Amino acid sequence: QKEVEQNSGPLSVPEGAIASLNCTYSDRGSQSFFWYRQYSGKSPELIMSIYSNGDKEDGRFTAQLNKASQYVSLLIRDSQPSDSATYLCAVTGSSASKIIFGSGTRLSIRP
Amino acid sequence: DTEVTQTPKHLVMGMTNKKSLKCEQHMGHRAMYWYKQKAKKPPELMFVYSYEKLSINESVPSRFSPECPNSSLLNLHLHALQPEDSALYLCASSQAGQSNEKLFFGSGTQLSVL
Repeated sequence: QKEVEQNSGPLSVPEGAIASLNCTYSDRGSQSFFWYRQYSGKSPELIMSIYSNGDKEDGRFTAQLNKASQYVSLLIRDSQPSDSATYLCAVTGSSASKIIFGSGTRLSIRP
Repeated sequence: DTEVTQTPKHLVMGMTNKKSLKCEQHMGHRAMYWYKQKAKKPPELMFVYSYEKLSINESVPSRFSPECPNSSLLNLHLHALQPEDSALYLCASSQAGQSNEKLFFGSGTQLSVL
């Protein structure tokens, strides 16, 4: 079992709809969770961080964390073509020594 | 625009060459990282420097040699690389090297080894 799992996609969502990206992790002791966006040929850029159970909203983005289910998600409201990118879920292991990245979900927003 | 600057943006080298990748940040961060990313794969951690000391080396081959001259600069010296080392090399920084910190990535160096 991979430490951080994401569906590779592509996930195709119509413009204006809600895009829902999911991530599961295997280390029950994980404490810190991040979503990075990476455009093709570019470097990852932090979108959201979340550290406690529940929802955290920032503009059109909402991160959701459920530690009991070992599940973290990212919702993008009013999806725009500029949201088309690969979204990387990243998790800190319980040893807290490093961040582990998932393989990413490719999101495509169709006009 | 990223506040972590990497040079060069592209590099083509032969297997016998010696080259260096450079990274600079002026955010006052005390931790700097090297990641390697192959196409359609996640970034893989190579090295972490925290307060200018090497704190993590992810069993990287010795043909990759990191150097941290000061808290703002990070180099990656390359020697006798293999074609499979071709990848995007990303530098990142964070405040103090704790794993709950946000990473700020540079734009990367696309390396091709012939």
